[in-house]
Amino acid sequence: DTEVTQTPKHLVMGMTNKKSLKCEQHMGHRAMYWYKQKAKKPPELMFVYSYEKLSINESVPSRFSPECPNSSLLNLHLHALQPEDSALYLCASSQDGPSPQHFGDGTRLSIL
Amino acid sequence: DAKTTQPPSMDCAEGRAANLPCNHSTISGNEYVYWYRQIHSQGPQYIIHGLKNNETNEMASLIITEDRKSSTLILPHATLRDTAVYYCIGNKRFGGADGLTFGKGTHLIIQP
Repeated sequence: DTEVTQTPKHLVMGMTNKKSLKCEQHMGHRAMYWYKQKAKKPPELMFVYSYEKLSINESVPSRFSPECPNSSLLNLHLHALQPEDSALYLCASSQDGPSPQHFGDGTRLSIL
Repeated sequence: DAKTTQPPSMDCAEGRAANLPCNHSTISGNEYVYWYRQIHSQGPQYIIHGLKNNETNEMASLIITEDRKSSTLILPHATLRDTAVYYCIGNKRFGGADGLTFGKGTHLIIQP
């Protein structure tokens, strides 16, 4: 069982849709992360939030919009995605500063 | 982050020790060596990390060479559930939250 919960587990959407991915943790962690993982590839960092503020954006296209409404929640808003954005989206959390990250099991996203 | 090199795949018999090597010759004194694994259809799972001394926890042991240019993760009694992709990652010791840079990892297959 993972302590980082991601919803939904699967999402299929068209290129004109708007949807959101959600991530929740109750471990008191103050850093949260979004990663993208294409099939048979390693995860790639997208965003880092520290104390609810965006601290790292790895040059991610603006059709991905992260949001951290409070210290337990992390959202990823999706709009006008492309078929190549189909991937597993992973959320993680950690204590602020260098420390082990705890990952959710991801949302598998398919863009039609 | 340090560049790491791992063999793409390894086999190990169930019940035997699995020894996974990692080269990280460019690792700096400001970086820990972290190990994560990813079982199919799950998010990555933290295993262990170390600086220069050998480390052991309930999951594994980590042996780091004295010059810190390589390390070995040891799973003492491998089971079928240890079949996964194992990632060796260098990550900083100080400062704010930082994302992980995953390499290609080693696909460990435990044979019955």
